[in-house]
Amino acid sequence: QQNVQQSPESLIVPEGARTSLNCTFSDSASQYFWWYRQHSGKAPKALMSIFSNGEKEEGRFTIHLNKASLHFSLHIRDSQPSDSALYLCAGMPNYNVLYFGSGTKLTVEP
Amino acid sequence: GGIITQTPKFLIGQEGQKLTLKCQQNFNHDTMYWYRQDSGKGLRLIYYSITENDLQKGDLSEGYDASREKKSSFSLTVTSAQKNEMAVFLCASSNRDRGPNERLFFGHGTKLSVL
Repeated sequence: QQNVQQSPESLIVPEGARTSLNCTFSDSASQYFWWYRQHSGKAPKALMSIFSNGEKEEGRFTIHLNKASLHFSLHIRDSQPSDSALYLCAGMPNYNVLYFGSGTKLTVEP
Repeated sequence: GGIITQTPKFLIGQEGQKLTLKCQQNFNHDTMYWYRQDSGKGLRLIYYSITENDLQKGDLSEGYDASREKKSSFSLTVTSAQKNEMAVFLCASSNRDRGPNERLFFGHGTKLSVL
């Protein structure tokens, strides 16, 4: 079983701030890593994924993976109130199963 | 595009009752999942199915049964509802035939309350 820890549990930032969300895995079994976002009362939706060490940027969002330290992060540049949501990281230690963390609740205040 | 439909949206049960949640997808995806989400928390895998009539247990399968009689549908049964239990059950699907890193698409969930 893959154990996924996310920090912080919740975060409040002002509009325009740079936000960093963190995720740590219990072992190196995962091959693929994902961030999902869930707005209140809505279904989770996939944001971005990565499978090799390094960074990947899409618009205001950047993800960073360091397999050696089992650390995976999401950075949001110029945070917007519409970014307020529950952010879930996930790892895939086998072909079919995604293991999710407990989530970080982000609130971006106007 | 496609859609995942979960029914019912809200389910109120009595302690000890057997309750069934249904999920339909029209993506033509091969793999389907049931996750449980407790209030404001992450997702825990209950069951998944990689094809019609296949069932695989997740970490939270105790107390649940599942059924995949058709490719497009996946149902979950709470075998004996626990008093004061409250959670959202999320169904998801993905197209694993296209590769191991295909994203999951989720339904909006069934919110369960047990009196």
